[in-house]
Amino acid sequence: SQTIHQWPATLVQPVGSPLSLECTVEGTSNPNLYWYRQAAGRGLQLLFYSVGIGQISSEVPQNLSASRPQDRQFILSSKKLLLSDSGFYLCAWRARGTYNEQFFGPGTRLTVL
Amino acid sequence: QKEVEQDPGPLSVPEGAIVSLNCTYSNSAFQYFMWYRQYSRKGPELLMYTYSSGNKEDGRFTAQVDKSSKYISLFIRDSQPSDSATYLCAMSRVQNKLVFGAGTILRVKS
Repeated sequence: SQTIHQWPATLVQPVGSPLSLECTVEGTSNPNLYWYRQAAGRGLQLLFYSVGIGQISSEVPQNLSASRPQDRQFILSSKKLLLSDSGFYLCAWRARGTYNEQFFGPGTRLTVL
Repeated sequence: QKEVEQDPGPLSVPEGAIVSLNCTYSNSAFQYFMWYRQYSRKGPELLMYTYSSGNKEDGRFTAQVDKSSKYISLFIRDSQPSDSATYLCAMSRVQNKLVFGAGTILRVKS
């Protein structure tokens, strides 16, 4: 069966510090991968998606970036965090050939102080 | 106007009640509809998905899609305290990006 991991689970960072969040998927090959951010009381905002290694599409202009160095690894980064980057970050995957069922990881709660 | 509207609640019901959760949408191109359940501080879990109009049943859960009214529903029968969570609707054109509602908080009281 497929599983998706995210780490760290919780992170507290000062403004201006760098960020690296990691997501890995097991039990599937060549998945589509997604990064979302969820703010309190709001829906999920799609940040980035990837259809393959090195292929990244950005949905929202911001100071975040994403990379996919391996087939089942997706990384969310920032060089300098802003207060507004605080939120709950979720990674998701979708298998090729399916309509659009996406499966989410456990999430990383980021607090920028 | 948001593409997907969902009442944030909270919706409080007694144990055993039938729960109705709803979303409306504006984009008539949406073909694929999903419901996710999210417990506090956890990632969303896919509950139900339907393609185009109609009903789909899975245990205590029934998903309905009315494309003519641009309205989708999730019914939970015999609700349990363990059903207390936030329920997110999501929809898309086929193999396009998902658009989520803001979520409805459900509380089932024992």
